[in-house]
Amino acid sequence: DGGITQSPKYLFRKEGQNVTLSCEQNLNHDAMYWYRQDPGQGLRLIYYSQIVNDFQKGDIAEGYSVSREKKESFPLTVTSAQKNPTAFYLCASSIDLVSSGANVLTFGAGSRLTVL
Amino acid sequence: AQKITQTQPGMFVQEKEAVTLDCTYDTSDQSYGLFWYKQPSSGEMIFLIYQGSYDEQNATEGRYSLNFQKARKSANLVISASQLGDSAMYFCAMREYLRSYNTDKLIFGTGTRLQVFP
Repeated sequence: DGGITQSPKYLFRKEGQNVTLSCEQNLNHDAMYWYRQDPGQGLRLIYYSQIVNDFQKGDIAEGYSVSREKKESFPLTVTSAQKNPTAFYLCASSIDLVSSGANVLTFGAGSRLTVL
Repeated sequence: AQKITQTQPGMFVQEKEAVTLDCTYDTSDQSYGLFWYKQPSSGEMIFLIYQGSYDEQNATEGRYSLNFQKARKSANLVISASQLGDSAMYFCAMREYLRSYNTDKLIFGTGTRLQVFP
């Protein structure tokens, strides 16, 4: 079945460490996204990518980095510069970014990062 | 800047009853899209329904319908015949077009937690 796989589902990190969250999709979607979710808040966009080797900052990109070396993969690195990294991270993909219709995002199951 | 507002942090509904989850939005664009997603306790976001700004009919998908009132800038989700499995967080979202990058993104409201009781 096609979908998005995020790993790990749970991750614990010590302060000062970088961690990388994996996101893989087999939907043949061009666009991929990373969102962050905090309790009582909606989803906030961290980074997004339209095509391989290209990505753009979202609303809260500071302290994060991404790469898009393959169409299927869009890993997110949470660096030590991110001051409040404890959150739930969701990866998503869509057929393309620009659409006049229902460009529906398909989401993964998420990764929960806790900084100790 | 575009904005989505969900003013109900939590809602309760009895099984088999209908429930309305509120969503208002703010945009200066003429062309936009509105979405509703469901997030069960497992965490993943599940797409429910979409309404385009030029759609004259309210969108419907099974037990879900979207009460779209353009002049009031509201896009409320109506769930008919609630089931216990409907208990989840529900998010309203709007597509925002970014002209400088010729791309778009979704912006989300803060969500409403729906609990269905027997």
